Amino acid sequence: QQQVKQSPQSLIVQKGGISIINCAYENTAFDYFPWYQQFPGKGPALLIAIRPDVSEKKEGRFTISFNKSAKQFSLHIMDSQPGDSATYFCAASRDTDKLIFGTGTRLQVFP
Amino acid sequence: ETGVTQSPTHLIKTRGQQVTLRCSSQSGHNTVSWYQQALGQGPQFIFQYYREEENGRGNFPPRFSGLQFPNYSSELNVNALELDDSALYLCASSHITRLGETQYFGPGTRLLVL
Repeated sequence: QQQVKQSPQSLIVQKGGISIINCAYENTAFDYFPWYQQFPGKGPALLIAIRPDVSEKKEGRFTISFNKSAKQFSLHIMDSQPGDSATYFCAASRDTDKLIFGTGTRLQVFP
Repeated sequence: ETGVTQSPTHLIKTRGQQVTLRCSSQSGHNTVSWYQQALGQGPQFIFQYYREEENGRGNFPPRFSGLQFPNYSSELNVNALELDDSALYLCASSHITRLGETQYFGPGTRLLVL
């Protein structure tokens, strides 16, 4: 009930390509779905977040797509850049605290 | 930078010892959460403090304890350290509002238990 499943575990994308990371959740009480970006030796930094009342949210090159009926959400990174190379975590929570994280996706963007 | 600071950055302890990790919240935030991130894994929620009281706890044994001070800084204490406690310990500060402000993470303290 508390799990958030994330895939793929690792992703290699060419510069300029689209990176897509998927997550699925089980607990229908979750109402907040953020994505975090983490560089080696750093703490996670919030990238973008969505609530279940919308199906898509876009901020710059980053877009969250949300499918409430399927209990799935995904992160799309358009025009991927080498500087985007990092580990990405999806998460879910109720009331935006007590985050439940996915297992992470290591993204590598090659020039 | 989030304005959340943690100390120390790195720490080496031996099994059975006790450790105290510290966190200074972002200005204006009154809630602090602690997470454990094992190598190659996502962060796992340990507990949260609001107004100096524990406000939720994850699946961690009682030897993990915490404190929040009037200035909203916080400590994580771990007694009787075990090898599996080796991890990056993250604190995150936030403000409890109905609109739900997000959590801002510090850089973490990397703990190695030998």
